[in-house]
Amino acid sequence: DTAVSQTPKYLVTQMGNDKSIKCEQNLGHDTMYWYKQDSKKFLKIMFSYNNKELIINETVPNRFSPKSPDKAHLNLHINSLELGDSAVYFCASSLSKSGPTYEQYFGPGTRLTVT
Amino acid sequence: RKEVEQDPGPFNVPEGATVAFNCTYSNSASQSFFWYRQDCRKEPKLLMSVYSSGNEDGRFTAQLNRASQYISLLIRDSKLSDSATYLCVVTINTGGFKTIFGAGTRLFVKA
Repeated sequence: DTAVSQTPKYLVTQMGNDKSIKCEQNLGHDTMYWYKQDSKKFLKIMFSYNNKELIINETVPNRFSPKSPDKAHLNLHINSLELGDSAVYFCASSLSKSGPTYEQYFGPGTRLTVT
Repeated sequence: RKEVEQDPGPFNVPEGATVAFNCTYSNSASQSFFWYRQDCRKEPKLLMSVYSSGNEDGRFTAQLNRASQYISLLIRDSKLSDSATYLCVVTINTGGFKTIFGAGTRLFVKA
């Protein structure tokens, strides 16, 4: 039974296109995240939502727009894709009432390739 | 200076060896500390939390030195299955808890 799932697992698209990645968690968590892992394997937080509200928004181009329709879902829409957007995008979730000691559970990742 | 710094490795060790990874963090207001493990082309998974008093989980021992802003992970009796990238992780309260990952240290355990 998958805890954090992402679709699609692979996404190959051309520059200039718009694409979305979906994330769902069935852990009952109230906080969800998007991370980007680039070719150098550096994992960097992009966004964090708590109870559908944006609480962390790192310096990310406004071509990236997260949407959280409910606590169990956090989608990422990317407009006008660029070559530099090629990376693995990970969704994660956690329980905020655990405070700073929370464990984050990651989805399997979406490997985006922009050509 | 990066917020969380790790030696990228790779560390190549034989089975049975003891290996230690170090990590430093720059923000003295960091609140929580973790080691995550990431296998090739997989998602990161929590290995262990790190407490000021130090903590042990089987062959793994984690230490935290708040004064030096330094975290360590010791793996004893390395197994082939320990081969992975080990990520040092720190959380900071910025209104919400922001999680910062180090770039990771790669470990290869060989027979």
